[in-house]
Amino acid sequence: ILNVEQSPQSLHVQEGDSTNFTCSFPSSNFYALHWYRWETAKSPEALFVMTLNGDEKKKGRISATLNTKEGYSYLYIKGSQPEDSATYLCASPTSGTYKYIFGTGTRLKVLA
Amino acid sequence: EPEVTQTPSHQVTQMGQEVILRCVPISNHLYFYWYRQILGQKVEFLVSFYNNEISEKSEIFDDQFSVERPDGSNFTLKIRSTKLEDSAMYFCASSYGQALTEAFFGQGTRLTVV
Repeated sequence: ILNVEQSPQSLHVQEGDSTNFTCSFPSSNFYALHWYRWETAKSPEALFVMTLNGDEKKKGRISATLNTKEGYSYLYIKGSQPEDSATYLCASPTSGTYKYIFGTGTRLKVLA
Repeated sequence: EPEVTQTPSHQVTQMGQEVILRCVPISNHLYFYWYRQILGQKVEFLVSFYNNEISEKSEIFDDQFSVERPDGSNFTLKIRSTKLEDSAMYFCASSYGQALTEAFFGQGTRLTVV
């Protein structure tokens, strides 16, 4: 059974601070890792799809890294803004399937 | 920008009643999914659908659940006889490719079984 874990569960940061959080997953039979941003009352929005060990992806002030050998991915937000406040979810599909297993999410609140 | 739309946004139903949750996926997508999130818990996979058939389903997706793509645009989830524990937010998602492409989610339908 694939188990995807995220930490911390929630985080408060001041506007302008940089922050990061973790998604961990079983390293055996790794296939892909997805990051989503989920704002309240909206649909989860895809940020990154990561597949290769050592992958680094960037979208504006948000970036992510992937270590498939040790089974973790970091999401970084540089210079956090109030509009970054959301729940950040990671999900990994079990190898060769369409079945995504989600983490519990990290709830980020950026204080102005 | 294309989006996945779900209706209704909120449905209240009596225990034992049938409900149909509707989704319109993005038009050129080929893979379709239903997920749910019970309050305070993780988002859980229910079912995936490709080429007009179920490609994978979870243990949650028992005989009470069914999915259909009746007309090439809608994708529906039917729960035949709802139970209290079916109360959750149900999300539809679609993607062009398999697990290596991003999935696009709808805003969800909050189902409350009373």
